[in-house]
Order: sequence, then C-alpha cells, then structure tokens
Amino acid sequence: DIQLTQSPATLSASVGDMVTITCRASQGINTFLAWYQQRPGKAPNLLIYETSTLQNGVPSRFSGSGSGTEFTLTITSLQPEDLGTYFCQQLNAFPFTFGPGTKVDLK
Amino acid sequence: EMQVVESGGGLVQPGESLRLACSISGFILTDHNIDWVRQAPGRGLEWIGRNRDKAFGFTTVYAASVADRFTAFRDLSQNSVFLQMNSLRTEDTAVYFCARVGRDDRNRHTAPDIWGQGTMVTVSS
Repeated sequence: DIQLTQSPATLSASVGDMVTITCRASQGINTFLAWYQQRPGKAPNLLIYETSTLQNGVPSRFSGSGSGTEFTLTITSLQPEDLGTYFCQQLNAFPFTFGPGTKVDLK
Repeated sequence: EMQVVESGGGLVQPGESLRLACSISGFILTDHNIDWVRQAPGRGLEWIGRNRDKAFGFTTVYAASVADRFTAFRDLSQNSVFLQMNSLRTEDTAVYFCARVGRDDRNRHTAPDIWGQGTMVTVSS
C-alpha cells in the first residue's frame, strides 16, 4: 500500500498568513492527489484534485502543487473559516490511502 | 441539489452484522463511482472501498481491513448503494461516510466530491 505522511501535524497561524502543508508519498503517485478540509463534526470537503485542480466553489486562496512523491497545499491568506484538519489522499492505486491530517488553528 | 445521505448505523455486538445505506439524489448513480470512507473517534480518514460505476459492472474494490467481511452493492431501483458489514469487530467502530466520485469536463473520474453527513457504527459488548 502507498503510505502518505503530512507535515506539520499541527499548525497555528494568524488570519492573513500564508500556510503551507506538505504531503509525501512512499512511492510515485503521478499527480493523483486530492486535498480535503474537515471541520469538527463534519464530513470532509474536497478542495483540490489531481494535485492542482481547484474543485468548483473553492476559494482561489487555495492552491496545490507537486508531482511524484511530494505535494503541497497552500492557503495564501488564511481566513477564520479555514480552520480544521486537512487531509491528502492518493488516488493513483488501490487502496486509496489518506494522510494522517494536519490540524490548522488560529494563533 | 446533488446529495448523498447515509443511514443504518447503530450499536451492535462483536460478531454481529449491520447494513448501511447510501441514498443519492440529484445525479445519475450509474455514472459515478461511490466510495466508502470511515473515521474512528478522534482518528483520521480510512478509505474502505469503491463501488464502481456501470462501466466496471458496479464491482467493488475493498481495503484489506474489510475485504473478507464487507460487501458493497447497488440497488438502482432505490437509487442507493449499500454496505453490508458482517463479523463486526470493535475496531470497526467509526463514522461511516459514503461519497460520490466526481467527473471532470473530460468525463474522467476525479475525487470524492459529494459526501454525506456520516452514520455512526459502534461495535461493543
């Protein structure tokens, strides 16, 4: 199975900050990586698929990049509604594993 | 409005069975893969299976942790996908989500884009 790691595990930032989360895969996954935000008690919300394609309705302050085994999610100007846990998921090969998550809170 | 709604969760004892339902509306079920994902209390997300669309004969690929105990299938007359869970274990305790896998403008599968609110399954004696 393809293992995903995320860094950092937790992140404290202020409104307006730029935030970057990294996801690393144990083997190459082409560009088949997605990012989700999950607020407490809610279902995950798809932000980005295929590394860099923004899901309809997601604000443009979110962006993704990378290829192969290293990927990043960037939030250019953190907003209060961006708090929560962010997960990456590889969709290159079954089973479609998730990263352990990065919790983002306000400083 | 496109949506998926899970139901059927509850409290069961180890070794018992439970069937979850994922009812869909607002899109054509035969055109989409449906993923099942679970989340144990306080833990991360675990992908447990994909029930594939008509092009793949509605077959399902499972994670190893559930492959010999869980079965996903569709009932098109009910516009629903079901997850039959047998021989449940305490470690199966989780919120279970179903999610539609989207398609892009070239009709390629993308990622789970419409999620239900989840249904809680508790396995305990």
